[in-house]
Parts: sequence; C-alpha cells; structure tokens
Amino acid sequence: GAVVSQHPSWVICKSGTSVKIECRSLDFQATTMFWYRQFPKQSLMLMATSNEGSKATYEQGVEKDKFLINHASLTLSTLTVTSAHPEDSSFYICSAHLGETSGSGAPYEQYFGPGTRLTVT
Amino acid sequence: QQQVKQSPQSLIVQKGGISIINCAYENTAFDYFPWYQQFPGKGPALLIAIRPDVSEKKEGRFTISFNKSAKQFSLHIMDSQPGDSATYFCAVRGHYDHQGGKLIFGQGTELSVKP
Repeated sequence: GAVVSQHPSWVICKSGTSVKIECRSLDFQATTMFWYRQFPKQSLMLMATSNEGSKATYEQGVEKDKFLINHASLTLSTLTVTSAHPEDSSFYICSAHLGETSGSGAPYEQYFGPGTRLTVT
Repeated sequence: QQQVKQSPQSLIVQKGGISIINCAYENTAFDYFPWYQQFPGKGPALLIAIRPDVSEKKEGRFTISFNKSAKQFSLHIMDSQPGDSATYFCAVRGHYDHQGGKLIFGQGTELSVKP
C-alpha cells in the first residue's frame, strides 16, 4: 500500500513552453501532497505544500506564478511549469502523506513518487 | 540556514563492513527523524525512522541511533552489500500541526559498497 505515481517519468520540452506533471496517490487519499525539486548530486528541496481544495503554500524563493500547483482531488495533484527555461531542468518529485494513518505507516509519513525528469531545451 | 547537517558526503565501504552516516540538527522542535534511500533516477524510499522518545531502533541490517541531548542521529548499515550502494538522506520533521509536516533533508551521502 501507500503507492504514489508520477506522470510522465521524463519529459523534454522547448524553452518557453509549459509542461504539466501529475502526482497520484494510487491506494489512499492524500489531503496533503508535497512537491520537491532535486538537482544532480544534490538534496531534495521542498517547493510547495499542496492541500486538497485550497491554494498551495510555496516555500520562500519559489515563484508561484511559474510553478502552478493544483490539488483538485484527494488523489491527484499537478505541477505545471510555465514558460519553462533550461534552468528549470531538474528532477521533480512529489510525495503524499497518509495523515493520521492506521496500519503500519507512521502518522503523516510521506510516500514519494518515482520522480519526473524535466529537460528544457 | 542549514537545519540539518549530514556527513560524510560520500562513503566507500567493503562488502560485509559497517556503513555509518551521521546527521546533526539544530531545532529541538523536530519530532520525527527518518532516513531515506535513493537510487539514481528514482524517488527516495523510507528506510527507517525514529522518534525522540527512544535512543535506538533496529530493522534488519539497519539501525538508527539517536542522541537527543547532542541533537544527533546516525544510520548504521551492518553487513553492507553492493546492493546498498545508493544515496542516503536523513531528514527531520516538526510537529504536524505547527509546521505542516514538512521534511527538511540533509545534504545526502553517496554510499558505494565494494564487492
């Protein structure tokens, strides 16, 4: 259980275009999802916290108009990189937590998706 | 401001040896301390986690040692195997109600286990 998927797994787009990345919790409902960005050989940096039915909370320094986050349902959050540029090329990872879970997972444990590799040419 | 400092940056261990990775944190409000394993091109996966009310937790070959007074915790991988070669991240998390359950990650340690 507690599986998170992302689509696409990799995407190449031209500079100036927009690209949407989907994050789905497959077997649980996630009231909160998180979006991270990871550059090669670096750690994960939290971009924003996404709550179902409300506006995302962005971390300091993250442009909300460039990285649009929508959490339309309890199983789906999307990240849209608008007017992408080469410097936006990165590995984007989402996670979701179970809230006050039952079962073997810890409360609010985050389960990560497999990541999406974005390359902007 | 680095709230979590992880060391070493890279580690090479012989097969069968013990791998030790350390993390130090600054904020005493953190209440959850997980370790994640990440293979190239994949998302991180939870390996083991500990809460501050215990000093040690063991799951198979993986052990977390936690020193609350020193604000440090470490991951020990016993009998390290080539399949353990990956990047390991420690993380800390504050109380959900006050900090949104956000994880703050360490810088990562690239572990290579030589056969």
